[in-house]
Amino acid sequence: DVKVTQSSRYLVKRTGEKVFLECVQDMDHENMFWYRQDPGLGLRLIYFSYDVKMKEKGDIPEGYSVSREKKERFSLILESASTNQTSMYLCASSPPGGDEKLFFGSGTQLSVL
Amino acid sequence: GESVGLHLPTLSVQEGDNSIINCAYSNSASDYFIWYKQESGKGPQFIIDIRSNMDKRQGQRVTVLLNKTVKHLSLQIAATQPGDSAVYFCAERFSGATNKLIFGTGTLLAVQP
Repeated sequence: DVKVTQSSRYLVKRTGEKVFLECVQDMDHENMFWYRQDPGLGLRLIYFSYDVKMKEKGDIPEGYSVSREKKERFSLILESASTNQTSMYLCASSPPGGDEKLFFGSGTQLSVL
Repeated sequence: GESVGLHLPTLSVQEGDNSIINCAYSNSASDYFIWYKQESGKGPQFIIDIRSNMDKRQGQRVTVLLNKTVKHLSLQIAATQPGDSAVYFCAERFSGATNKLIFGTGTLLAVQP
């Protein structure tokens, strides 16, 4: 089975802090994604990556950046955390070839105080 | 942009009954649809998918129906079990927009013993 692992289940940070959310997948998938999940809004795509060192903006990239130095690892960075970034963050991966079946991690619940 | 919506935010059913979760989509150019299940404290898990050239697809205890005329998608769960209690999301992909899914806001399925 595909495993997508997010390093933290819960995080509490202060406004203005730099925050790193880490995600690792073990199935050699080319595609990786970061979503945030908020009540009533569903899942919204922040950034995605087709390959190492490649990244594409999703629907809500403002206030975020990403890093993909290795195929298995995709990091989400909040340069200066704000309270409106309090959310559940979900990482996902998928193989290439147009199959949109995403495999998700368990999520990181981030609270920015 | 266009979004996927759900008719019912919550659905309560008796154990053993069949469940039907509905989803309306607004983009007639969408060519691929997925249903995900998200249990409490976990990331979304793939249930079943369907391409726009099909009307129906069956899995184990689940069936997805696609009505392109009225832009409606439904997930049917046969003999609902307590383990089916979760939030269910539909997602659509706009034709040609590889690797970009638009998620609905979710329906909570509560199975009563």
